[in-house]
Amino acid sequence: DAKTTQPPSMDCAEGRAANLPCNHSTISGNEYVYWYRQIHSQGPQYIIHGLKNNETNEMASLIITEDRKSSTLILPHATLRDTAVYYCIVRGPYNQGGKLIFGQGTELSVKP
Amino acid sequence: GAVVSQHPSWVICKSGTSVKIECRSLDFQATTMFWYRQFPKQSLMLMATSNEGSKATYEQGVEKDKFLINHASLTLSTLTVTSAHPEDSSFYICSAALGGYSGNTIYFGEGSWLTVV
Repeated sequence: DAKTTQPPSMDCAEGRAANLPCNHSTISGNEYVYWYRQIHSQGPQYIIHGLKNNETNEMASLIITEDRKSSTLILPHATLRDTAVYYCIVRGPYNQGGKLIFGQGTELSVKP
Repeated sequence: GAVVSQHPSWVICKSGTSVKIECRSLDFQATTMFWYRQFPKQSLMLMATSNEGSKATYEQGVEKDKFLINHASLTLSTLTVTSAHPEDSSFYICSAALGGYSGNTIYFGEGSWLTVV
């Protein structure tokens, strides 16, 4: 499974955009990038996923570079409730189970 | 989004007993479900992949006779921790895949806290 690299922690001011980077240089052509977040003592919350095109939903935007070796999750207007650990995951091939293997993630702190 | 529910949310059991945790997809059918465990201040660790109607596939190092997984229907998977010991105390989380295709969305349950005393 392709590995991802994320900064261990980031700060963001409330109301500003939070840009969370992720490197996945060994990603294969048919592997998707998924983003989840986990607030303490809760199950991970799905945010967004994509293959090669940029994606946007009500929660966030996902920007994937053209070579697909990195991506950025954008929370357009961060609030205090967005404080969480954010996980960028390259999902394993579907024909091999399509597993999500979690790394250490980025601990995002949104400050007033 | 789709809802995945776990029960119980927390459970305390005596050492040597078995405990069952249920994972249900409430508003969709899930061909594949996944089970994770998480220790404090650590990331989630995948334990096994569960496919409806077939045997679960366990990750390396996970004892299949200790962690019994059953996926009898498209909306229910169960994890049974057999002969539980204090070191099995952990946060157990399940997830379910919406749709049987590459690039489908996977939703997680709220998690179940197990304390073995």
